Amino acid sequence: AQSVTQPDIHITVSEGASLELRCNYSYGATPYLFWYVQSPGQGLQLLLKYFSGDTLVQGIKGFEAEFKRSQSSFNLRKPSVHWSDAAEYFCAVGMIKAAGNKLTFGGGTRVLVKP
Amino acid sequence: GAGVSQSPSNKVTEKGKDVELRCDPISGHTALYWYRQSLGQGLEFLIYFQGNSAPDKSGLPSDRFSAERTGGSVSTLTIQRTQQEDSAVYLCASSPSLHFNHEQYFGPGTRLTVT
Repeated sequence: AQSVTQPDIHITVSEGASLELRCNYSYGATPYLFWYVQSPGQGLQLLLKYFSGDTLVQGIKGFEAEFKRSQSSFNLRKPSVHWSDAAEYFCAVGMIKAAGNKLTFGGGTRVLVKP
Repeated sequence: GAGVSQSPSNKVTEKGKDVELRCDPISGHTALYWYRQSLGQGLEFLIYFQGNSAPDKSGLPSDRFSAERTGGSVSTLTIQRTQQEDSAVYLCASSPSLHFNHEQYFGPGTRLTVT
């Protein structure tokens, strides 16, 4: 069965500093990988996704993620964090089912931004 | 344009009562998904619809849970004889198709509290 692990439950980062959120997955085939962000009281918003090709993918809000098959990882990065990036971030793996698909999410990482 | 909407935004109910949660997907989106977000279980997939059909109900936590979709649009998630462990945020998402190439757009969720 597929699974997604986000080892860090909370991360605190200073505004302007870089941010890296870790994601490891377990899946028997080439994964479809996603990062979502959830701001307080908001639904999930897609930041970026990886299906195939270039292993470094760019997303919205200045985020990027790198797929490393050898490490089964899909870490999210941002070079310089803004206060508005304080939110919860979810990594997800997409599993193709016979007649549809579903996303399996990691437990999330809550990011706090210090002024 | 209008996004995915869910109602009610908050619902408090007594243990043993039935509740109905509603999801209005983005117009024209044929795929619709229900997820549950709870402290103990994180974000978990419940069920998906392709049109009005839900081919796989195995993600529903128990037979007290049911879902339907009519007219290829609005969906309702019904929980019968609610239990305290049903307390969670129920998220709905819609997508132009089932394929992962198409983003799942999430609604703001319904926060269900069972007292």
